[in-house]
Amino acid sequence: EVQLVESGGGLLPPGGSLRLSCAVSGFSFRSYWMHWVRQAPGKGLVWVSRINYDGSDIIYADSVKGRFTISRDNAKNTLYLQMHSLRSEDTAVYYCVREGDGNIPLDYWGQGTLVTVSP
Amino acid sequence: AIQMTQSPSSLSASVGDRVTITCRASQGITINLGWYQQKPGKAPNLLIYAASSLQSGVPSRFSGSGSGTDFTLTISSLQPEDFATYYCLQDSNYPPTFGQGTKVEIK
Repeated sequence: EVQLVESGGGLLPPGGSLRLSCAVSGFSFRSYWMHWVRQAPGKGLVWVSRINYDGSDIIYADSVKGRFTISRDNAKNTLYLQMHSLRSEDTAVYYCVREGDGNIPLDYWGQGTLVTVSP
Repeated sequence: AIQMTQSPSSLSASVGDRVTITCRASQGITINLGWYQQKPGKAPNLLIYAASSLQSGVPSRFSGSGSGTDFTLTISSLQPEDFATYYCLQDSNYPPTFGQGTKVEIK
């Protein structure tokens, strides 16, 4: 069974830093591109970042570029999102998502972890 | 970035109704479109990929159509478990972009 389990969310003040983790199981992690997608409370889905198989190809949304860093440890089957200089508008549930095979887009999602940025 | 415009933003329907949701892209995306269902407090669930391909395990009452800029998600006979919010996603160009969502409510 494919599982993605995020952790690391919490409450922190503006300007703070946080690292999210996503532990995966049930599939060959090193064979898949991975994404982070976020959802502000009561709002829609917004794509954040994507990393390829070995971390050599990474892309970010403009809203987080220069502040967030996506990475992966294929030996630990874990995806990360390091977040710096957090703003109130970064408040959201952050989902770890697998990109599917071939022309299948984001197919498996974690349950999400809530990040709240507030004074 | 490609903008995805969904309509309607919400709708009320009864069990057994046929429901149609549309998504329009600001530029052509061929068939690089997916549809997701999200229930409150849960992660999105992929229903349709490549505009019209049914994801494994998804009931056949869900179908998708379209290409280029105009796409449709149809639920042929609405079931109680289908009351949720639906999103389209284009992955033709980066950044991937979602529609704003369509909330399907009970009439």
